[in-house]
Amino acid sequence: SQQGEEDPQALSIQEGENATMNCSYKTSINNLQWYRQNSGRGLVHLILIRSNERETHSGRLRVTLDTSKKSSSLLITASRAADTASYFCATDWKGGSEKLVFGKGMKLTVNP
Amino acid sequence: DAGITQSPRHKVTETGTPVTLRCHQTENHRYMYWYRQDPGHGLRLIHYSYGVKDTDKGEVSDGYSVSRSKTEDFLLTLESATSSQTSVYFCAAQGATLPYNEQFFGPGTRLTVL
Repeated sequence: SQQGEEDPQALSIQEGENATMNCSYKTSINNLQWYRQNSGRGLVHLILIRSNERETHSGRLRVTLDTSKKSSSLLITASRAADTASYFCATDWKGGSEKLVFGKGMKLTVNP
Repeated sequence: DAGITQSPRHKVTETGTPVTLRCHQTENHRYMYWYRQDPGHGLRLIHYSYGVKDTDKGEVSDGYSVSRSKTEDFLLTLESATSSQTSVYFCAAQGATLPYNEQFFGPGTRLTVL
């Protein structure tokens, strides 16, 4: 069964606005990751947050993690048209896993 | 795509025929994965490999088999293709173990089973 569930499933914003995506998961984890998929392409890793972290940043990306609520959020600041893509959260399993479980994804559209 | 290639990129086949998809990586990653991506389902793991000749089933393994005879190659075989296997297939690889387990994805293979 899938762990990650992104919310909302689709988001449309204007260039320059911030975009926030949420992910909920079910079991204890070591890490949570966010990936981006441009249309017709493979997924690309964006950022990882470890279970003992509450927040991490990378460029215009900010990720928070609340292990008590089993949820994470990805914030993209000052969005650009090039940020238009699908975004997926992925979790491993604290029991120790080389496998990831991906959510169904969220479609972000940034209008110029 | 971080040194991961997939072939073919597109394939149309008929129900009942065998199909083999190939994934090739150049980074000597230990772990390799096959996923399928379908609307409404996201990415689902079919099979994965944790070393040469070492493979295990994923979430949706029925109707699929895999082989890994070399570190760099991971093959996915549909023994007898069905229309329900029409999908986009992604290969991925991962080198590091915990706590950092980023996966690198290939460009995908679009398979249509008529």
